[in-house]
Amino acid sequence: SAVISQKPSRDICQRGTSLTIQCQVDSQVTMMFWYRQQPGQSLTLIATANQGSEATYESGFVIDKFPISRPNLTFSTLTVSNMSPEDSSIYLCSAQRGTGIGVYEQYFGPGTRLTVT
Amino acid sequence: AQSVTQLDSHVSVSEGTPVLLRCNYSSSYSPSLFWYVQHPNKGLQLLLKYTSAATLVKGINGFEAEFKKSETSFHLTKPSAHMSDAAEYFCVVLGGTYKYIFGTGTRLKVLA
Repeated sequence: SAVISQKPSRDICQRGTSLTIQCQVDSQVTMMFWYRQQPGQSLTLIATANQGSEATYESGFVIDKFPISRPNLTFSTLTVSNMSPEDSSIYLCSAQRGTGIGVYEQYFGPGTRLTVT
Repeated sequence: AQSVTQLDSHVSVSEGTPVLLRCNYSSSYSPSLFWYVQHPNKGLQLLLKYTSAATLVKGINGFEAEFKKSETSFHLTKPSAHMSDAAEYFCVVLGGTYKYIFGTGTRLKVLA
């Protein structure tokens, strides 16, 4: 398995500002991901954080709004830019590890609860 | 394309009675399926996974799930609910080589 930590665990921010969330994995992993979980809803994949190259964004998410960095195999950041109240969500980081041929497991951080006022 | 449908958004059971959380999947090939649990204000924890080995999969905390290809189902069960089982449960299918596709979740309530 992998142990994942996120900072901050929660924050309250004013609209128009930006927040950077950090994600640290306790061991090297090939793939890291960022998800959003809006209140009372399921998880939606924002992007895949690629080490050494630009992140791969899902439909509906853009780099200008959610810039992502991944400087090495254990660390990634997600920035929520120019925030509005609609960005109030839990943001989760995950790391994936292969457990067999064509088999992968994802491990999740505790999440960052963001409230935008 | 792969997808999962969780048939119940809320399930309530009494403590000590069986739990059944339903999940149907859609996949063009043999899927990898997972169940995760999310306790309030906590991250997601893997309960169990199916990866084309045994169709009856045993997980942590007494949970198990049975893969039924004929019914395209992967229902989660537990013989006897405990108060600590109250949480949100997500059925997940592995789409493509790495992308997780989450169901909408089932909130389990356990009554004393």
